Amino acid sequence: GAGVSQSPSNKVTEKGKDVELRCDPISGHTALYWYRQSLGQGLEFLIYFQGNSAPDKSGLPSDRFSAERTGGSVSTLTIQRTQQEDSAVYLCASSLGGQGAGNTIYFGEGSWLTVV
Amino acid sequence: DQQVKQNSPSLSVQEGRISILNCDYTNSMFDYFLWYKKYPAEGPTFLISISSIKDKNEDGRFTVFLNKSAKHLSLHIVPSQPGDSAVYFCAARPGGGSNYKLTFGKGTLLTVNP
Repeated sequence: GAGVSQSPSNKVTEKGKDVELRCDPISGHTALYWYRQSLGQGLEFLIYFQGNSAPDKSGLPSDRFSAERTGGSVSTLTIQRTQQEDSAVYLCASSLGGQGAGNTIYFGEGSWLTVV
Repeated sequence: DQQVKQNSPSLSVQEGRISILNCDYTNSMFDYFLWYKKYPAEGPTFLISISSIKDKNEDGRFTVFLNKSAKHLSLHIVPSQPGDSAVYFCAARPGGGSNYKLTFGKGTLLTVNP
């Protein structure tokens, strides 16, 4: 596609339920990233994919968070047993390659998650 | 511990004047710096970047200055336009094997008044 596409754009869920957030990166981009922005905070790194593997999962806040990427394209971020502190904008991004100073990272519009 | 700091949450300037957005960092491993612009309900978009081997990079109305010894960078917008009103995020990445990972500041909301 023309840009990074994320769905849903908005999600309201009850505490304790599981949610799945989807990301469709720019075609041909091998690197994919998930970031999170909580209210009043900067963007927080969650996980980095190169192809289908995730060499860096260090930003995932707890074991309730997981992500996968299939076919070197679409990625899903899953949050199990959601808590109110999970409420945030979840931003997906992609780049042509993962490393190198010249690789511009392009962001999607984000999935706004509200846990009530 | 915040490694990238934007100490001004907001800035207001008149159309046609200069906007200066500031950013400080603490991690000496950072060697590439970027500015992103974000409108409400949209994702951040890349604006301009600078490598640590340079002290200035210019692109049209936007110039980024880097002072490595002070661990400080700034974004200058001249002349400022109402369409520049947005949140501006400073970001940094290290060299080496982790150079995919961006660390962001909390952002500065710029308002350009007509």
